[in-house]
Amino acid sequence: EVQLLESGGGLVQPGESLRLSCVGSGFTFSSYAMNWVRQAPGKGLEWVSVISSTGGSTYYADSVKGRFTISRDNSKNTLYLQMNSLRAEDTALYYCAKDLGVPSRRAFDVWGRGTMVTVSS
Amino acid sequence: QSALTQPRSVSGSPGQSVTISCTGTSSDVGGYDYVSWYQHHPGKAPKLMIYDVNKRPSGVPDRFSGSKSGNTASLTISGLQADDEADYYCCSHAGSYNYVIFGGGTKLTVL
Repeated sequence: EVQLLESGGGLVQPGESLRLSCVGSGFTFSSYAMNWVRQAPGKGLEWVSVISSTGGSTYYADSVKGRFTISRDNSKNTLYLQMNSLRAEDTALYYCAKDLGVPSRRAFDVWGRGTMVTVSS
Repeated sequence: QSALTQPRSVSGSPGQSVTISCTGTSSDVGGYDYVSWYQHHPGKAPKLMIYDVNKRPSGVPDRFSGSKSGNTASLTISGLQADDEADYYCCSHAGSYNYVIFGGGTKLTVL
């Protein structure tokens, strides 16, 4: 079964850091671009970041640029999101999502259940 | 980059059809055929329903269809069923440095 499982969320204070992880299984992880998408409480989906299959290319939403870093370890089938200088507005459920195809179709066909990040003093 | 514009809510009775619109600009929806739609039941992972404007992934019923005209994409759901009640999000490629942007979401109520 194709699956993504996120972990690493929690409650942190403004300005602190957190690293999210996402383990993929049931597919050739190293072949696909991977993404992070978040949903703030009561709000819609917001794309956060993407990393190419090799890790050579990364892109970020303006709202997180310079503070978040996406990376991957294909030997461990794991995607990461290092989040620094966290703000209250980063509070959200963070989903890991797999790109549909190779080359990318800019669509996400497999999603995890999400990991909750709460930034509050 | 602003979110794509969707109606906040739509509704229909079982068996009827509904259409959800998604309006962007020539820099996103109008500029690329990379429009996708997601169904999101609260507490569950979002589900891909349409990609490349009008293609359905394996397992998605043909009651779901997508289209695009100019800067506006649409998702049509025919033969409404109770389980179709969910939030629906459109998504479009928006250029190299804005990878994708989502719409604000539409809550579908099956009356």
